[in-house]
Amino acid sequence: AQSVAQPEDQVNVAEGNPLTVKCTYSVSGNPYLFWYVQYPNRGLQFLLKYITGDNLVKGSYGFEAEFNKSQTSFHLKKPSALVSDSALYFCAVRDNYGQNFVFGPGTRLSVLP
Amino acid sequence: DTAVSQTPKYLVTQMGNDKSIKCEQNLGHDTMYWYKQDSKKFLKIMFSYNNKELIINETVPNRFSPKSPDKAHLNLHINSLELGDSAVYFCASSQGHSQPQHFGDGTRLSIL
Repeated sequence: AQSVAQPEDQVNVAEGNPLTVKCTYSVSGNPYLFWYVQYPNRGLQFLLKYITGDNLVKGSYGFEAEFNKSQTSFHLKKPSALVSDSALYFCAVRDNYGQNFVFGPGTRLSVLP
Repeated sequence: DTAVSQTPKYLVTQMGNDKSIKCEQNLGHDTMYWYKQDSKKFLKIMFSYNNKELIINETVPNRFSPKSPDKAHLNLHINSLELGDSAVYFCASSQGHSQPQHFGDGTRLSIL
């Protein structure tokens, strides 16, 4: 069965600094990987996905993520953080055999002015 | 123009009652989902459904049942509500299982 780990409950970064939110996964076969963001009292919003192709994936709002097959990681990055990026971030995985999505436990990102 | 809408937004009810949450999507997607988010924000898939197949997470009690009157709707029925059912329930939709999911804003269910 697939699983997702987000090793940091909380990430704090100063506005203007680069940010990284970590994600590692375990899945049978080739992974389908996703990042979502959740603002308070809202549903999740899709940021980006990796299915195949270039290991560096660019997504919404200036976010990008790097797929690393050997380390089974899919870390989310942004070169310059904004205060408005403060939210809860979820990594998710689906294998290419089944139809079950598994979400990580979430990482709360706080960008300080 | 809301893509995935859920009603009600808040639901407060007594233990033992039966309740339903409605979900509608206007994106033309063929697959819909229900998720449960607990108080620690942990998100767990309950069901995924398209017009061909219902996939049920085996950990979901059979008191929970999805009902789809048509492709654009997937309602969630819950029988004999228990205290542990208190959570935020999210509906989502996608075009197939490999495409991004679009989420509603959730229904906060509180059991007294």
